Amino acid sequence: DTGVSQDPRHKITKRGQNVTFRCDPISEHNRLYWYRQTLGQGPEFLTYFQNEAQLEKSRLLSDRFSAERPKGSFSTLEIQRTEQGDSAMYLCASSFVGEQYFGPGTRLTVT
Amino acid sequence: AQSVTQPDIHITVSEGASLELRCNYSYGATPYLFWYVQSPGQGLQLLLKYFSGDTLVQGIKGFEAEFKRSQSSFNLRKPSVHWSDAAEYFCAVGAVSNSGYALNFGKGTSLLVTP
Repeated sequence: DTGVSQDPRHKITKRGQNVTFRCDPISEHNRLYWYRQTLGQGPEFLTYFQNEAQLEKSRLLSDRFSAERPKGSFSTLEIQRTEQGDSAMYLCASSFVGEQYFGPGTRLTVT
Repeated sequence: AQSVTQPDIHITVSEGASLELRCNYSYGATPYLFWYVQSPGQGLQLLLKYFSGDTLVQGIKGFEAEFKRSQSSFNLRKPSVHWSDAAEYFCAVGAVSNSGYALNFGKGTSLLVTP
C-alpha cells in the first residue's frame, strides 16, 4: 500500500520564477487537498478536488496559484512569479471518505 | 467561523510520565476532530479521529482523546510517554462542505521528552 507521494521534496527557486509541484494520492482516493504550512504554524487549507473537479478554493489561493487534477488522479500545484512569502511547505492529502492522509510535502524556498 | 486553539506551544515531559495536550475548538455544528503528529521535515500522520459516537477514542501509538462538547475540547492523552513521541502535534477540525471537508488546524504543540 503506497501512501501519498509528492515531488519534488525540496525546491529552491529565485523570486519571479514559476514552480510546479506534483501530488500522487492513494490510488482509490477520489478527494485530494492542498495545504500550505509556514514555519511554526499549522497547515492552512488551499484547495480541494473531488475527482477532477476543483470544488473549493481558499482566499489564500491568489491569482498566482493554480491547481489541476486533469484525470482525477494526480494533481499539480503551480505558483507563478514566486515571491519570498511563498516560501513554505506545501502538503497534499487525499481521502475517500473520512480522514485525510498526508504526503511528505514539498518544501519551497524562494531566494 | 471555525477555529482551533492549542494553548500550549511547547510541553516538556519526562520519559514514562503521562501526557495531555489541550485542544479547544469553535465550530457551529458537530465537528469532525483529528489529532495529527509531525516529525521534523515530515508530513502529518493521523493519530486518531472523532466523527460521532463514543466520545473517548483510541488511536495509534497508545494515544487516546476525549471529545467534550460542553467544553468544546478534544484533548490528547497518553499514559506513558516514550522518547520517540517527541514531535509536533496538531489538532484539527473538519469543516464539512457539500462534498468533503477542509481541515482547520491549530498552531501545534511541540513535545520534548527528557530522559
